[in-house]
Amino acid sequence: EVQLVQSGAEVKKPGESLKISCKGSGYSFATYWIVWVRQMPGKGMEWMGIIQPGDSDTRYSPSFQGQVSMSADKSINTAYLQWNSLKASDTAMYYCARKPASREASFDYWGQGTLVTVSS
Amino acid sequence: DIQMTQSPSSLSASVGDRVTITCRASQGISNQLGWFQQKPGKAPKSLIYATSTLQSGVPSKFSGSGSGTDFTLTITSLQPEDFATYYCQQYNSYPYTFGQGTKLEIK
Repeated sequence: EVQLVQSGAEVKKPGESLKISCKGSGYSFATYWIVWVRQMPGKGMEWMGIIQPGDSDTRYSPSFQGQVSMSADKSINTAYLQWNSLKASDTAMYYCARKPASREASFDYWGQGTLVTVSS
Repeated sequence: DIQMTQSPSSLSASVGDRVTITCRASQGISNQLGWFQQKPGKAPKSLIYATSTLQSGVPSKFSGSGSGTDFTLTITSLQPEDFATYYCQQYNSYPYTFGQGTKLEIK
């Protein structure tokens, strides 16, 4: 069974760093892309970027370039989303999802989400 | 960036109804369009990819159509569990972009 399991909720202060994770199981982790999606409270979804765990090829949305970094460790089937200095405006739910390599395929499986709260 | 515009933003319907949600892309995206369902407090669920192909396990009451810039999601025989927010998303070019969502409510 394909699963993406995300790390737990986080409460941080502005200026702190954070790394959240998304662990895949039930499939060949290195051969599917992982995407990250932000959903601010009461708002729609925003595509942040995508990473290929096999070779760490990464593409960022211009809206998030320089604000976050994505990485992956294929040896432990885990992708990461990291902030060096959080802002209150980073408060949101963050989802990872899997995307097959085929150009025809969209996201198929989703993680359960990680709620990040940034407050002084 | 490709802008995705959904209409309507909200929609009221009754159990048993058939509804259609429209998604328009600001430029051609071939057939690289997906649809997602999200219920309050839950992760999104993937419904359709490549405009009209159902994800595994998705019932045939959901259907998608379109090409180029104009796409639709149709849901037939609405049931209580179908009332949710629906999003379209293009993956033709980076950055992938979502529509703003359509909230389907019970009348």
